[in-house]
Amino acid sequence: SAVISQKPSRDICQRGTSLTIQCQVDSQVTMMFWYRQQPGQSLTLIATANQGSEATYESGFVIDKFPISRPNLTFSTLTVSNMSPEDSSIYLCSAWDRASGNTIYFGEGSWLTVV
Amino acid sequence: QKEVEQDPGPLSVPEGAIVSLNCTYSNSAFQYFMWYRQYSRKGPELLMYTYSSGNKEDGRFTAQVDKSSKYISLFIRDSQPSDSATYLCAPGGPNQAGTALIFGKGTTLSVSS
Repeated sequence: SAVISQKPSRDICQRGTSLTIQCQVDSQVTMMFWYRQQPGQSLTLIATANQGSEATYESGFVIDKFPISRPNLTFSTLTVSNMSPEDSSIYLCSAWDRASGNTIYFGEGSWLTVV
Repeated sequence: QKEVEQDPGPLSVPEGAIVSLNCTYSNSAFQYFMWYRQYSRKGPELLMYTYSSGNKEDGRFTAQVDKSSKYISLFIRDSQPSDSATYLCAPGGPNQAGTALIFGKGTTLSVSS
């Protein structure tokens, strides 16, 4: 199974600032995803991070607010831009690889609080 | 109708009880059915994975899928305090490989000793 590390694990951010979350996988993976989990809610897919091309965003999420990079097959970043208290959430990186079959693995998450 | 519906609980049971967790879904194209367990302030971890209809057993855990009624169940036998967590059902597919999952809201389970 893939081991996924996220940084930071938690942070307190000022309103109006931006924060970049890093996701590192211990092996090359075919696909990487970013999810958001707001307090008391389930996981909502933000986007699929595509290696070497622009991310594919889900309805309700836009690149200007959540720019994503994926420079190689083991690493991705998610930036939460111009943060407001509504962005307080857990942000989760996940990965899938053909070698793992139909299994999607998750990182431990990055807990952001916007004040 | 939401794509995946799950009773959020909380569900409280004594140690040793049999627990039944359930989900319904609306998309008949789903072929892959995952159960994830999420402890407080942790990322989800894959617990069970089932393809199409039928049952799958792994130790104290049994996953059951009834595609005709679009109903997914997870049974936990001899529940332990360490099973206290939120359980998320997540169907996907039809080509689940590489397709992001759709998650239910999760059921919070508390097992008391």
